[in-house]
Amino acid sequence: NAGVMQNPRHLVRRRGQEARLRCSPMKGHSHVYWYRQLPEEGLKFMVYLQKENIIDESGMPKERFSAEFPKEGPSILRIQQVVRGDSAAYFCASSPAQGIQETQYFGPGTRLLVL
Amino acid sequence: AQTVTQSQPEMSVQEAETVTLSCTYDTSENNYYLFWYKQPPSRQMILVIRQEAYKQQNATENRFSVNFQKAAKSFSLKISDSQLGDTAMYFCAFMKSGTASKLTFGTGTRLQVTL
Repeated sequence: NAGVMQNPRHLVRRRGQEARLRCSPMKGHSHVYWYRQLPEEGLKFMVYLQKENIIDESGMPKERFSAEFPKEGPSILRIQQVVRGDSAAYFCASSPAQGIQETQYFGPGTRLLVL
Repeated sequence: AQTVTQSQPEMSVQEAETVTLSCTYDTSENNYYLFWYKQPPSRQMILVIRQEAYKQQNATENRFSVNFQKAAKSFSLKISDSQLGDTAMYFCAFMKSGTASKLTFGTGTRLQVTL
């Protein structure tokens, strides 16, 4: 059973470009969460999605950031017009629809560097 | 809003010794979950142990155990027989119970296991 998959693992963008981060949850998991980790800090919640629905986006910046989890395919975190302050590690986690919903399993993260 | 505090930015322990990492939290919720995650140099987030607040018995996973004091809102992690592979950042995290929900993380404790 493959774990949570994220790609790319490393992403370099110039200021003003767009960044697209992908997350495939564990098999059988329908809840996806995105977290951001700035250098030397803990993880901060961004958004929680279920298939085709955003459940909680209280941690998402109001501008330039968006997330989706379509019926088919991976969850996508999109950052438009990136700035240097967006440089961080972005982690995706998933949890199952039934059973022990509360435990979240993390992917390896995407390290975004904005030049 | 929930907050999680880890007051020890860095700790060191010799191989085979025991070390305890501290975590306190603040919440008005009565039902919740607490977690310890490990982040080694690879930066992958790995679940170490979880505790349900309604359970009085402290959780144990092999060399890892917790001391959960609900009234004091304290959730410390004890690592016995420390191994070099335990070197990592350790994050304490809180989650409300009931539905799949976001994790609130502390700022982490960097643990170095030495020979």
